[in-house]
Amino acid sequence: AQSVTQLDSHVSVSEGTPVLLRCNYSSSYSPSLFWYVQHPNKGLQLLLKYTSAATLVKGINGFEAEFKKSETSFHLTKPSAHMSDAAEYFCVVLIYNQGGKLIFGQGTELSVKP
Amino acid sequence: KAGVTQTPRYLIKTRGQQVTLSCSPISGHRSVSWYQQTPGQGLQFLFEYFSETQRNKGNFPGRFSGRQFSNSRSEMNVSTLELGDSALYLCASWPGQGISYEQYFGPGTRLTVT
Repeated sequence: AQSVTQLDSHVSVSEGTPVLLRCNYSSSYSPSLFWYVQHPNKGLQLLLKYTSAATLVKGINGFEAEFKKSETSFHLTKPSAHMSDAAEYFCVVLIYNQGGKLIFGQGTELSVKP
Repeated sequence: KAGVTQTPRYLIKTRGQQVTLSCSPISGHRSVSWYQQTPGQGLQFLFEYFSETQRNKGNFPGRFSGRQFSNSRSEMNVSTLELGDSALYLCASWPGQGISYEQYFGPGTRLTVT
């Protein structure tokens, strides 16, 4: 079965410092992986996607993620946090051969201190 | 292109009633998926419609149903509402085929059952 596990439920960083949000996946197939962000009382916005092309994926707002098959990881990083990055982040896997079904991790809440 | 729209944005219903939520996908997208988001269970897949046919279904009781119209707009219905149905209901649209397409989410409908 395919699944994702987000290793931290809450991460707190200071503005201007790096961000690391960790995600491990489980899949028998080459997975399609995504990171989404949800600001309070908003819908989900796609940050970036991995679909077996380049293993280092660049997304919006300076975020990037690296697909590491040997570690079954897809961690999200940003060199320098901004106050506007405070939100909840979801690591997501597309279920193989089941159309558009997505499985979400439990989410990581990112706090950014001034 | 206009994004995914959901109506209504907020809804308050009484236990035992039924409710219908609506989702209009991005123009040209033929697939609409529905998700339930709660603090305890996170984001869970309800079902997906593609070209007016249900393609996938999550593990929800039969009280949750949906349909899709020829213009790809989708509705979901919840009958005999329970307090536990209080949640944010999100819909997502994508073209419906291929694995490299990202899914776009609407702002959600916040359902409160009293």
